[in-house]
Amino acid sequence: QKEVEQNSGPLSVPEGAIASLNCTYSDRVSQSFFWYRQYSGKSPELIMSIYSNGDKEDGRFTAQLNKASQYVSLLIRDSQPSDSATYLCAVNLPRGSYIPTFGRGTSLIVHP
Amino acid sequence: GAGVSQSPRYKVAKRGQDVALRCDPISGHVSLFWYQQALGQGPEFLTYFQNEAQLDKSGLPSDRFFAERPEGSVSTLKIQRTQQEDSAVYLCASSERGANTGELFFGEGSRLTVL
Repeated sequence: QKEVEQNSGPLSVPEGAIASLNCTYSDRVSQSFFWYRQYSGKSPELIMSIYSNGDKEDGRFTAQLNKASQYVSLLIRDSQPSDSATYLCAVNLPRGSYIPTFGRGTSLIVHP
Repeated sequence: GAGVSQSPRYKVAKRGQDVALRCDPISGHVSLFWYQQALGQGPEFLTYFQNEAQLDKSGLPSDRFFAERPEGSVSTLKIQRTQQEDSAVYLCASSERGANTGELFFGEGSRLTVL
């Protein structure tokens, strides 16, 4: 089992819909969780961080964390074609130091 | 500079050649990470520096890989005797504080192709 798991997709949603991206992780002691967006041929950029159970909202983005289930998700409301990208889940896993460890990413396609 | 700078952006090497990839992090950032990203995969951790100290090198795939950050700013990732399986994008990221913040700022990457 990989330490951070994501469905590779692609996830295809129509413009204006809600896109739901999911991630599970292996280590219960993890405390810091992140979503990065990566456009094709570009480097990852941070869009959300979450540290506590529950929801965190930032504009059209909502991150949800459930530590008991070792599950973190990202909701994108009113999806736009410009949201089409790969979304990477990152979890700080203890390996001596806490190291940001990435899933393989989920490809999101928003079609007009 | 304003962001993380990596060079070269593209490198083509013949199998067996040595390569050196440079990363110039955001000024003042304490933490520096190297990741390897293969096509269609997420970034895979290689090594982590806090200032000039290499605190974790457990992700380096073999002893052909070596990284340094001698003055706590610029870092170099060196790959000796390159193999075809080393072909990937090498991403450098920096963070203002220690590793547990996880809020990474990435450079544009160095794409290595080994022929």
